[in-house]
Amino acid sequence: DADVTQTPRNRITKTGKRIMLECSQTKGHDRMYWYRQDPGLGLRLIYYSFDVKDINKGEISDGYSVSRQAQAKFSLSLESAIPNQTALYFCATSEPNQPQHFGDGTRLSIL
Amino acid sequence: GQQLNQSPQSMFIQEGEDVSMNCTSSSIFNTWLWYKQDPGEGPVLLIALYKAGELTSNGRLTAQFGITRKDSFLNISASIPSDVGIYFCAGRSGGYQKVTFGTGTKLQVIP
Repeated sequence: DADVTQTPRNRITKTGKRIMLECSQTKGHDRMYWYRQDPGLGLRLIYYSFDVKDINKGEISDGYSVSRQAQAKFSLSLESAIPNQTALYFCATSEPNQPQHFGDGTRLSIL
Repeated sequence: GQQLNQSPQSMFIQEGEDVSMNCTSSSIFNTWLWYKQDPGEGPVLLIALYKAGELTSNGRLTAQFGITRKDSFLNISASIPSDVGIYFCAGRSGGYQKVTFGTGTKLQVIP
């Protein structure tokens, strides 16, 4: 079983729709992250959380929100999806001062 | 934000050949990381480097943390077909929420 599980793996939706991407982990890590990957660009940080009560904006948080419902769960929402949010989204977890472990990604297409 | 230049962008090599790729930065990093991403999967950590000048191996992979702390390289010896994928470098300048990712090197191995 995967340590970091993302659902759905693929999603196609229309402009203006609300979308939620889910991430759950069995690694017991306190720290969780959401990244976006676009062709030809490096991973860019959207939001991160160091524990259930902690939410922090990353490099590209505009148009996104997150919820840390429990230590093991970190969800990413697009309140009103737009086409330039079409991308591959990755959730990651880590222990303090340790490299991240990534999920297998959610491919999101917004028409 | 910080910029990481990763080269080459892509490469085709014959099975059995050695491969070298590198990353350079305009800023100093405290940690260099190398990840591999297979199609349909998330990045997987290959090697982490924590000290300037450090040379670390992981099987056929060898990576070095540049003396200036602004660059790193990854070598793969005796390439095999399963080495195919995208290799990312990443540099850390603070906590792991401050990791900057390179744009990736796409490696194709010709059997």
